Amino acid sequence: LAKTTQPISMDSYEGQEVNITCSHNNIATNDYITWYQQFPSQGPRFIIQGYKTKVTNEVASLFIPADRKSSTLSLPRVSLSDTAVYYCLVGYSNYQLIWGAGTKLIIKP
Amino acid sequence: EPEVTQTPSHQVTQMGQEVILRCVPISNHLYFYWYRQILGQKVEFLVSFYNNEISEKSEIFDDQFSVERPDGSNFTLKIRSTKLEDSAMYFCASSAPDRALEKLFFGSGTQLSVL
Repeated sequence: LAKTTQPISMDSYEGQEVNITCSHNNIATNDYITWYQQFPSQGPRFIIQGYKTKVTNEVASLFIPADRKSSTLSLPRVSLSDTAVYYCLVGYSNYQLIWGAGTKLIIKP
Repeated sequence: EPEVTQTPSHQVTQMGQEVILRCVPISNHLYFYWYRQILGQKVEFLVSFYNNEISEKSEIFDDQFSVERPDGSNFTLKIRSTKLEDSAMYFCASSAPDRALEKLFFGSGTQLSVL
């Protein structure tokens, strides 16, 4: 049973802010929300992780509403190099994370 | 940033042959993982390894697969008798010892082609 739902693909332009929303209606109390980025022929790379409210690091922000049934990854001022697949994962340990198809983000000049 | 190193980057083998994929996790990490990704498909968990033993494994990780940490730095995945459907990119990952959901550091993968 898939734990997350996210758009299959998104387009944006350089310099724009991109928001990718993920639905996780069945999130459990112990679950965290984690986002990874993957470029073609490379391993996924950790972006950000959160439990509730807002988390920000040097590359992204993660917004989680009070009910935690969804979350939004926000990428400020994207560039062409942000073109990648972005995975939203929900779980409490790495082994039980279910990797979906992710969101293919294409940034145009 | 520290890196997980995988060798070889590409491996071609004949069906039925044994292959060993090698990984050097980040030196102070204690959790090690193998994942695979068939071309164009999802990342799939295979196995996690902690304290010199398998801590979790998926249904994919059957008797044809084994993992080993032969010394203090290497972590290997062995496929005993490869099948055509084992063709995939295999990723090794490691994480720090703080908790089970700690940030994963992935290697750049080994592309395995079974002919």
